[in-house]
Amino acid sequence: EAGVAQSPRYKIIEKRQSVAFWCNPISGHATLYWYQQILGQGPKLLIQFQNNGVVDDSQLPKDRFSAERLKGVDSTLKIQPAKLEDSAVYLCASSPGLLAGKSSYEQYFGPGTRLTVT
Amino acid sequence: GEDVEQSLFLSVREGDSSVINCTYTDSSSTYLYWYKQEPGAGLQLLTYIFSNMDMKQDQRLTVLLNKKDKHLSLRIADTQTGDSAIYFCAERNQAGTALIFGKGTTLSVSS
Repeated sequence: EAGVAQSPRYKIIEKRQSVAFWCNPISGHATLYWYQQILGQGPKLLIQFQNNGVVDDSQLPKDRFSAERLKGVDSTLKIQPAKLEDSAVYLCASSPGLLAGKSSYEQYFGPGTRLTVT
Repeated sequence: GEDVEQSLFLSVREGDSSVINCTYTDSSSTYLYWYKQEPGAGLQLLTYIFSNMDMKQDQRLTVLLNKKDKHLSLRIADTQTGDSAIYFCAERNQAGTALIFGKGTTLSVSS
């Protein structure tokens, strides 16, 4: 079974530029998450989708961050414009979904995209 | 509020047991997790425990949960150099959806 795929793996941009990250979850997984991991810290949830609907975006800085999952499969996360403090690893994770019983509690992570804002 | 605390570093010798500790604040947490992160890689789910259990064992890994003290530990038996990584403790958030992570414990294994 293929894991969670993310691209690009690395991105360097200047502040005030825009950037987009892509995620393809494990096939059949209804729930998709985007986390931000700043160096030396644990991942922090940005947004959660159930199929193509948003479940939780309370921690997403909506003035500059946006995310979509139009067809309920892959997802993009965009930052526009980027700030220095956005330098972090952006992790995508997926899980089978709220109706999948016990296995819905297992989240599987992709390798992440490391963003450096200069 | 929801918060997860871990010690930052642990150093052990190869063959010894490692014990990584974690405390959490949300008494309503239903599942608690341990993830492993190697340099440049994503997080790998190691194991998780449901809050009505005290212990879970999976090969070299033993998870102990003290719900009264809100304390979770991960014991790795016969620690190997390949176990060197950052270990994250996590609890499910109050909505029961996403995970709240600690800052991670860096495990260093020397031969």
